Amino acid sequence: AQSVSQHNHHVILSEAASLELGCNYSYGGTVNLFWYVQYPGQHLQLLLKYFSGDPLVKGIKGFEAEFIKSKFSFNLRKPSVQWSDTAEYFCAVTLNFGNEKLTFGTGTRLTIIP
Amino acid sequence: EAQVTQNPRYLITVTGKKLTVTCSQNMNHEYMSWYRQDPGLGLRQIYYSMNVEVTDKGDVPEGYKVSRKEKRNFPLILESPSPNQTSLYFCASSSDRGRGEQFFGPGTRLTVL
Repeated sequence: AQSVSQHNHHVILSEAASLELGCNYSYGGTVNLFWYVQYPGQHLQLLLKYFSGDPLVKGIKGFEAEFIKSKFSFNLRKPSVQWSDTAEYFCAVTLNFGNEKLTFGTGTRLTIIP
Repeated sequence: EAQVTQNPRYLITVTGKKLTVTCSQNMNHEYMSWYRQDPGLGLRQIYYSMNVEVTDKGDVPEGYKVSRKEKRNFPLILESPSPNQTSLYFCASSSDRGRGEQFFGPGTRLTVL
């Protein structure tokens, strides 16, 4: 079965700092990769997704992620964070021919200090 | 507006008292799913449904039941809730096998005393 690891549990940054959140998955076959964001008190929203093609994908709100197949990684990046980026971020994977189950990582809580 | 709705949003109940959390989507999605979110564990799938009358267990199905009699609705049933089912529950739906963006409901915070 597939699994997802997010090693950063809580990240604290100042506004304008650069962000990189790590995500690694374990599965030998073809996967679809996602980053979801959960703002305080809100439901999950999709930030970006990767299915195939260009391994550098751009999402909403200036976020991007790079798929590195050899490292089984899909790290999330943003060059300059804002206070409004304070949220919990979840990396997730589905199998290409699975039941659509999203397997989530445990999440990274991001706190931006003004 | 395309959305997934859940009711109730908050519920406090006692051990053993049957409850149902409703989920409805207006996007004509075939796939629906229930997740629970617990601190340090992320979200885990409870049950899913590929279409009407087609449901199957996810990773943590014990203590839960579901039904899918209509395409738009996917209720989650706790027949005899226990304190370890205290959690935040999310319903989700999507249209495209494996590749579709899953749309999440606003969540139901359940406390079982």
